[in-house]
Amino acid sequence: EPEVTQTPSHQVTQMGQEVILRCVPISNHLYFYWYRQILGQKVEFLVSFYNNEISEKSEIFDDQFSVERPDGSNFTLKIRSTKLEDSAMYFCASSPDRGTNTIYFGEGSWLTVV
Amino acid sequence: AQSVAQPEDQVNVAEGNPLTVKCTYSVSGNPYLFWYVQYPNRGLQFLLKYITGDNLVKGSYGFEAEFNKSQTSFHLKKPSALVSDSALYFCAVRDMAAGGSYIPTFGRGTSLIVHP
Repeated sequence: EPEVTQTPSHQVTQMGQEVILRCVPISNHLYFYWYRQILGQKVEFLVSFYNNEISEKSEIFDDQFSVERPDGSNFTLKIRSTKLEDSAMYFCASSPDRGTNTIYFGEGSWLTVV
Repeated sequence: AQSVAQPEDQVNVAEGNPLTVKCTYSVSGNPYLFWYVQYPNRGLQFLLKYITGDNLVKGSYGFEAEFNKSQTSFHLKKPSALVSDSALYFCAVRDMAAGGSYIPTFGRGTSLIVHP
């Protein structure tokens, strides 16, 4: 069964450093997403991406964050100058379209900022 | 605006007993509702969804959910719980009203603990 894959599974970074989280969405999907889950809290939407551009983003997704699809298969989330409060599990997800289809999630990348 | 509430942080049930994990929602149009499950150190796995049609939706691993429009609820149920069902369960909603976001909003999650 096709799945969304994410790397790394866990990353520890110093405050102020840049982090890139990588994702390979399901191959025939057209919409890609990043969500995050701070420990013990709800799953929060960050951004969605379609046709090589951001289609929707939340208030959380400020200038510190950026997304890119550099090579037609990978979908990356970059966090510039990480802060302690960026520590969270970051989930990549994809869906065939944005209609009634299900969003499929990856296993997550656990980011710890120290 | 769309929102979802999971009123219980934790549900405890004995193996073999029926389980219910509660979810209520708020939308301006018709809802599109999901349940996902998250096992420890894993991503969210899709369980089931409701769009239209039969109010009782059957999903993976023997789970089902009942859509109740008058009570704006979409409770997750299973007739006989297994210890392996112990996990974090998330309800999500998307408002199908014209102009609404196509991004689902997730609840805080409910931890289900099934005791042997």
